[in-house]
Amino acid sequence: QSALTQPASVSGSPGQSITISCTGTSSDVGGYNYVSWYQQHPGKAPKLMIYDVSNRPSGVSNRFSGSKSGNTASLTISGLQAEDEADYYCSSYTSSSKVFGTGTKVTVL
Amino acid sequence: QVQLVQSGAEVKKPGSSVKVSCKASGGTFSSYAISWVRQAPGQGLEWMGRIIPILGIANYAQKFQGRVTITADKSTSTAYMELSSLRSEDTAVYYCARGDPGYDFWSGYAPFDYWGQGTLVTVSS
Repeated sequence: QSALTQPASVSGSPGQSITISCTGTSSDVGGYNYVSWYQQHPGKAPKLMIYDVSNRPSGVSNRFSGSKSGNTASLTISGLQAEDEADYYCSSYTSSSKVFGTGTKVTVL
Repeated sequence: QVQLVQSGAEVKKPGSSVKVSCKASGGTFSSYAISWVRQAPGQGLEWMGRIIPILGIANYAQKFQGRVTITADKSTSTAYMELSSLRSEDTAVYYCARGDPGYDFWSGYAPFDYWGQGTLVTVSS
């Protein structure tokens, strides 16, 4: 199972919006509405930010939103804040297993 | 409050095995699956496999088939991941993660809502 493809890095200024893409295939992202997004700060465990493509867990800021079109899912962070600087990973269900994306480093300029 | 507490860092020789534990508290251990995810230094996340503790049934990523064994002890709410024939490329932080119990644990769809703190396994001669 190949990793889902994400851009290596995305940057933005405080207050701006950024979008991270996650491209897979019809066997994973395109085939199921079970895409999740995780935020990971250095030296910390990942944190669930979005599940089932576009749902936010309790306690996650509504500045985070998710969507999907075909084989590509997207995470949008609006009103970018310094604390959003972290690595972000998408994940999809596929054939009784899970696959993660390659990861995107978000930098707040 | 749900917590997953993992065992401490390990240093292993190439060719040996390592067994990492993950003790769950604050929830019903039998109502969800536990997955193991690893992260090599400076690299991304990689799903290794999962277990449904109430059934003792595990499934593994193809890459690790034959080299990884995931088990669970319901009496202590602890999951284990054992990786054998270790090589330098297995040096990584290993995480356990809970599949959200709001999903049918058979399906494998569940997102990972709680994570352990991670266990660094270093493979070096």
